[in-house]
Amino acid sequence: NAGVTQTPKFRILKIGQSMTLQCTQDMNHNYMYWYRQDPGMGLKLIYYSVGAGITDKGEVPNGYNVSRSTTEDFPLRLELAAPSQTSVYFCASSYDPGSQETQYFGPGTRLLVL
Amino acid sequence: GENVEQHPSTLSVQEGDSAVIKCTYSDSASNYFPWYKQELGKGPQLIIDIRSNVGEKKDQRIAVTLNKTAKHFSLHITETQPEDSAVYFCAASKVQGAQKLVFGQGTRLTINP
Repeated sequence: NAGVTQTPKFRILKIGQSMTLQCTQDMNHNYMYWYRQDPGMGLKLIYYSVGAGITDKGEVPNGYNVSRSTTEDFPLRLELAAPSQTSVYFCASSYDPGSQETQYFGPGTRLLVL
Repeated sequence: GENVEQHPSTLSVQEGDSAVIKCTYSDSASNYFPWYKQELGKGPQLIIDIRSNVGEKKDQRIAVTLNKTAKHFSLHITETQPEDSAVYFCAASKVQGAQKLVFGQGTRLTINP
């Protein structure tokens, strides 16, 4: 299994541009999550999904959108990039949190908005 | 909402000594407390976790203790090795459907040879 994969690894955006961060997992996990990590800080939850077609907001959802059309994929969309969205973005997945299943994290996407 | 505070922000210990990192949480309903290790350029990786019905859990050189009354939990690493150098994060959540983790600010642990 490849686990959780994210693309791209690094991207520079201009203010106002849009982009989609891709996340794919091959572990047949129901739950998927998007976090952002600002320099020197912990991760903050942006959005999460409990299954295909079901998504919900996390702690810092403003400026982002998500969709979950398949079990495997959970893309994160930035519509109008702002400097405040400069961060490292991590996708994670888990099978069933209720059964003590941990979250597995991808390698991250580093985004710079100038 | 939940708030997690982590101390210290940096920690330097001699190889072979022990390291302790402490976290406090604010929401008494939180019942799941994982610890993650993050190496440079990589995503966080779970190293140990504990649920609120347990006071202590150990896995080889790593242990976690939980004090529900005081709302704090700690990571203990014994016989530290150079490969333990990394950033460590604590987190807390309620396990009700999705596991919405709230992370501490992180501790940069450096093991000096």
